[in-house]
Amino acid sequence: DARVTQTPRHKVTEMGQEVTMRCQPILGHNTVFWYRQTMMQGLELLAYFRNRAPLDDSGMPKDRFSAEMPDATLATLKIQPSEPRDSAVYFCASGDGTGIHEQYFGPGTRLTVT
Amino acid sequence: EDQVTQSPEALRLQEGESSSLNCSYTVSGLRGLFWYRQDPGKGPEFLFTLYSAGEEKEKERLKATLTKKESFLHITAPKPEDSATYLCAAEGGSEKLVFGKGTKLTVNP
Repeated sequence: DARVTQTPRHKVTEMGQEVTMRCQPILGHNTVFWYRQTMMQGLELLAYFRNRAPLDDSGMPKDRFSAEMPDATLATLKIQPSEPRDSAVYFCASGDGTGIHEQYFGPGTRLTVT
Repeated sequence: EDQVTQSPEALRLQEGESSSLNCSYTVSGLRGLFWYRQDPGKGPEFLFTLYSAGEEKEKERLKATLTKKESFLHITAPKPEDSATYLCAAEGGSEKLVFGKGTKLTVNP
């Protein structure tokens, strides 16, 4: 059963601390997306990669957020320094990148910044 | 700017009471319209992709339809296990999905 995995599932941290979230896309999928979900804004796209190259990160606050794909099986999203307004659920999704493609979501990382 | 609007925000049905959820979209060069189901504490789960006006897709008690401005998710004789938030998303020329805020469906036994 192919699934997107994310770690950690929950993270509580203090303002100013660095937060790293990890995602393992479905094997064979070459497109990875990072989303943030809040009650007010719903699902917002932060960044996405194809074949490990960043295609769009216009949704990310550039001064504190960074996203990378060190290899085809790992995507990371870092926040440094974290702020209370970053509290949200962060989802990773992957797709096979062929034409119009469905995105398959992981279970999310629930981040609370105090 | 591409936009997706879902209505109603919340819907409460009795088991067996059929209804429809609405998704209105304003997207340049629509490439696909997607429906997802999201259960509490979980990620969205893919349901359907619709590509062109007039297209319909079915899965169990769910049927999705598409016009040039809207998509509908019809739920026939729902059961309590259909309770979830249903998300609509549109993909335009930019390859990025724009999501609506969802409709929270509750089906009472």
